[in-house]
Amino acid sequence: KNQVEQSPQSLIILEGKNCTLQCNYTVSPFSNLRWYKQDTGRGPVSLTIMTFSENTKSNGRYTATLDADTKQSSLHITASQLSDSASYICVVSTTLGFQKLVFGTGTRLLVSP
Amino acid sequence: NAGVTQTPKFQVLKTGQSMTLQCAQDMNHEYMSWYRQDPGMGLRLIHYSVGAGITDQGEVPNGYNVSRSTTEDFPLRLLSAAPSQTSVYFCASNPGINTEAFFGQGTRLTVV
Repeated sequence: KNQVEQSPQSLIILEGKNCTLQCNYTVSPFSNLRWYKQDTGRGPVSLTIMTFSENTKSNGRYTATLDADTKQSSLHITASQLSDSASYICVVSTTLGFQKLVFGTGTRLLVSP
Repeated sequence: NAGVTQTPKFQVLKTGQSMTLQCAQDMNHEYMSWYRQDPGMGLRLIHYSVGAGITDQGEVPNGYNVSRSTTEDFPLRLLSAAPSQTSVYFCASNPGINTEAFFGQGTRLTVV
């Protein structure tokens, strides 16, 4: 069964600190892996998309890594800001038919002053 | 640059009522889709469209209808609302298969 699991479920960090969110997936066949940021009451916004051949991708203070062999990804946030408080969703796309997207349940991050 | 626009943002329905959730995009994207987001679950695909006049079912299509008469619009119809359809609904569009998806701000629907 295609699944995306994220950990931790929730996380509280102090402003200015770094953090890493984890994503494990069992999705086949694999097309790409995406990280989305979802603010409360808003729609998800794309942070990165990585294909099979990409190991690392950055978007400002966000850096995503992908290990296609172990089927693991991480999202590292550097020098956190209050505006980073949101849910971060890992999404894996398969190549079966219409872009089948398998969504994780997200990690809820709270950045505290 | 509006992107993907959903209306309404909030809606309360009585069981058995019908309604249409509106979705419009101004990016000329061929692909559009509807998802629902429930607590403790990842987003699930309801219906999708790969172009005007072409629609298909996703993972949880029961109780919903869609149509795509133009590239810009992709409305979602609830035929006879049920409490199990209480959820947050997101419309998304993307320019091609396996490309970045752009989401609307969501419609929070409560069925009582």
